[in-house]
Amino acid sequence: EVQLQQSGPEVGRPGSSVKLSCKASGYTFTDYVLNWVKQSPGQGLEWIGWIDPEYGSTDYAEKFKKKATLTADTSSSTAYIQLSSLTSEDTATYFCARSWDWFAYWGQGTLVTVSS
Amino acid sequence: QITLTQQAESLWVSPGEKVSITCRASQSLLYTDGKHYLSWYQQRPGQTTKALIYHASIRTDGVPTRFIGSGSGTDPTLSIEDVQPEDIALYYCLQTLKKPSTFGGGTKLELK
Repeated sequence: EVQLQQSGPEVGRPGSSVKLSCKASGYTFTDYVLNWVKQSPGQGLEWIGWIDPEYGSTDYAEKFKKKATLTADTSSSTAYIQLSSLTSEDTATYFCARSWDWFAYWGQGTLVTVSS
Repeated sequence: QITLTQQAESLWVSPGEKVSITCRASQSLLYTDGKHYLSWYQQRPGQTTKALIYHASIRTDGVPTRFIGSGSGTDPTLSIEDVQPEDIALYYCLQTLKKPSTFGGGTKLELK
């Protein structure tokens, strides 16, 4: 059974960084791209970017190029997203999702709250 | 970027009815391989987001046959026949034809 288990909720101070994780199981981690998606409170979904765990290659939506950094550790089948220079606009739930032509499997989401 | 517009923010239905959710795209989602790069997702509170339909009309494994994806080019539609109480959720469309991948704004299905 494919599962994407995301890390727990985070609280970050304005200007700081947080790093979220997404641990994959039930498939070969390097066979599929992993995407990250943002859902602001009461809002819709925004694609942040993807990482190819096999090669470490990444691609980002323009809006998130200076905000997010995607990495992956093949030894633990875990993908990460680091969000930097946090502002109130970064308060949201962040999802990882495994994709081919569509986002077939999703993690449960990690809530990030930016608060001083 | 490709814009997806789900006109209806909310739709109210009674159990057993049929409902259709539209997702208008700013350009055709048909690629030269003959596939539409449009998929549909269901979000229910406390549950993991679920993929329902991909390539506009193909149900993912285990999705009930009452979920039907149709439409082509710029007007994909998700229909739910014989709505069940467990279908009350948020529904999103997603295009993966061109970067950046973009989502529709979402349609909330609610009980009358």
